[in-house]
Amino acid sequence: AQKVTQAQTEISVVEKEDVTLDCVYETRDTTYYLFWYKQPPSGELVFLIRRNSFDEQNEISGRYSWNFQKSTSSFNFTITASQVVDSAVYFCALSEATTFGNEKLTFGTGTRLTIIP
Amino acid sequence: NAGVTQTPKFRILKIGQSMTLQCAQDMNHNYMYWYRQDPGMGLKLIYYSVGAGITDKGEVPNGYNVSRSTTEDFPLRLELAAPSQTSVYFCASSKNRDGGQPQHFGDGTRLSIL
Repeated sequence: AQKVTQAQTEISVVEKEDVTLDCVYETRDTTYYLFWYKQPPSGELVFLIRRNSFDEQNEISGRYSWNFQKSTSSFNFTITASQVVDSAVYFCALSEATTFGNEKLTFGTGTRLTIIP
Repeated sequence: NAGVTQTPKFRILKIGQSMTLQCAQDMNHNYMYWYRQDPGMGLKLIYYSVGAGITDKGEVPNGYNVSRSTTEDFPLRLELAAPSQTSVYFCASSKNRDGGQPQHFGDGTRLSIL
């Protein structure tokens, strides 16, 4: 069965500090996708990034970066120079292969990030 | 640019009542999903659909029913509401082509069963 572990339940950092959110996954699929979603206090879920299992290149988008390592089954998310607007719950998710394709997502329990001004 | 629209946003039900949570998307996505999010937890898949007339169970389907008569709509039915179904419900949709398409979520329905 698929599993996503986000061991950090809550993290608090002072504004402008860097912070890394950990995500470890388990799957038997050879083709899979990993995702990060952000859930701000308003409650909606915002897609941040998708990574497929064949692409281990790190990705940077502004202050956000992601490190995907198949050897350790990890897909970590780093926010550089954190801002108060980054305060949210962040979810890591893993797609599961079904008869119809890789469409079912297994979510981790989330990491609540609080940026202290 | 509506995306995924869920109604209602909030609802209080009495034990044993029934209701339907509505979900509509205007992105012509074939895949649609229903999740529930309990406090402090991630999302758990209730049901999903890969197209009109095709649905399948997710991780926690008991106590729920779905139907998909059109591409746009994917309602979730609670037949006999129970306190354990108090949760925030999210509907999502994604494209049908290629694996791993990101899911686009509605704003959620907060449901309390008293």
